Amino acid sequence: GENVEQHPSTLSVQEGDSAVIKCTYSDSASNYFPWYKQELGKRPQLIIDIRSNVGEKKDQRIAVTLNKTAKHFSLHITETQPEDSAVYFCAAGDNFNKFYFGSGTKLNVKP
Amino acid sequence: GAVVSQHPSWVICKSGTSVKIECRSLDFQATTMFWYRQFPKQSLMLMATSNEGSKATYEQGVEKDKFLINHASLTLSTLTVTSAHPEDSSFYICSARDVGLASGRVSDTQYFGPGTRLTVL
Repeated sequence: GENVEQHPSTLSVQEGDSAVIKCTYSDSASNYFPWYKQELGKRPQLIIDIRSNVGEKKDQRIAVTLNKTAKHFSLHITETQPEDSAVYFCAAGDNFNKFYFGSGTKLNVKP
Repeated sequence: GAVVSQHPSWVICKSGTSVKIECRSLDFQATTMFWYRQFPKQSLMLMATSNEGSKATYEQGVEKDKFLINHASLTLSTLTVTSAHPEDSSFYICSARDVGLASGRVSDTQYFGPGTRLTVL
């Protein structure tokens, strides 16, 4: 089955700095890579996603890059704000739409 | 759009009893729903795929007789934790994918319910 690894487990940045979270996956059949943000006690919310036929996608302060050959993908958040503080999960999805999640990164943006 | 609800939001039960959790897609139809389990400060672990009108498919290591899944309609899937024990205490969360049956809007992503916190005494 798919194995998704995520690093770092915790990340602390100063407001305005950039944050980068990295994930690797093992199954070359995975073709869809969403990123979710989960605030304490709440449901995961999709923040950005990328399909395997695209190398990079950007949405305002958030961007995701995918290296299909190396089987890794990354989330980049620029100009971080305190409200960006949350746990971020990467996931890898297959044609059956099953998602396998990374272990999560707790991002703390210090004002 | 693409709202998923869960009921109940939390439940406390005695060891040995069964608990049913409902997952509903409110504004779209879902042929497939997914059930996850999340321990405190940990990731979401996929338990099973719930298929409308057919048997659920379970991930390796998940007991299908312990976690009964029924997907009787295009908007409702239920997870029943049978003979619950304290080690079953966890946050159970469902998700659904809008395949555009009614909305015409097809999405790769999964929309998550708010989760159900189960505590078994």
